Amino acid sequence: EVQLVESGGGLVQPGRSLRLSCTASGFPFGDYSVSWVRQAPGKGLEWVGFIRNKVLGGTTEYAASVKGRFTISRDESKGIAYLQMNRLETEDTATYYCTRARYCTNGVCYPFDYWGQGTLVTVPS
Amino acid sequence: QSVLTQPPSVSEVPRQRVTISCSGGSSNIGNNAVDWYQQLPGKAPKLLIYYDDQLPSGVSDRISGSKSGTSASLAISELQSEDEADYYCAAWDDSLNAYVFGTGTKVTVL
Repeated sequence: EVQLVESGGGLVQPGRSLRLSCTASGFPFGDYSVSWVRQAPGKGLEWVGFIRNKVLGGTTEYAASVKGRFTISRDESKGIAYLQMNRLETEDTATYYCTRARYCTNGVCYPFDYWGQGTLVTVPS
Repeated sequence: QSVLTQPPSVSEVPRQRVTISCSGGSSNIGNNAVDWYQQLPGKAPKLLIYYDDQLPSGVSDRISGSKSGTSASLAISELQSEDEADYYCAAWDDSLNAYVFGTGTKVTVL
């Protein structure tokens, strides 16, 4: 059974950092790209970024709203993807979902066929 | 403000059909595949349709997707109470170099 489990969320002060983890199981982790999607309370879905699979070099793409502040990485040996969030802002308050990208076409990786349960990050004003 | 526009809400009685529209542009829907996600209250989203009209394994065949030009649609036939959820379209946007979600549509079963 494919599973993605996020951890690491919590309350963090503006300007500080936080690292989220996504532990994958039930599928060959190295064969798939992983994406992060967030959802502010009561709002819609927002793509954060993805990290491509090993074959595609494990390179990354980010949304403009987080580029330069957030970094996605992966540890193939542990089957874990990370979202390092620096210089956090109140607008980053959201539930963060880890997802598996079903395909990568021309280097672009989507759709997201499996999702974790999400982890809440709160950055107070 | 999303580049993919959906109606905020649609409602219908059980066993009827609802359609949700998703309007975009040439850099997203017009040039890339459209996906649809369902989010039940308090739950993580679930992939419903990918590549415009493909059903993932396990998704009910009451669900269908279509695309024409820079717009896409999701249809749910034989509406059931369990279909009450938020629905989001999504596509890659070549100009933004980003995967963009629609504004979301809340489906209510009357």
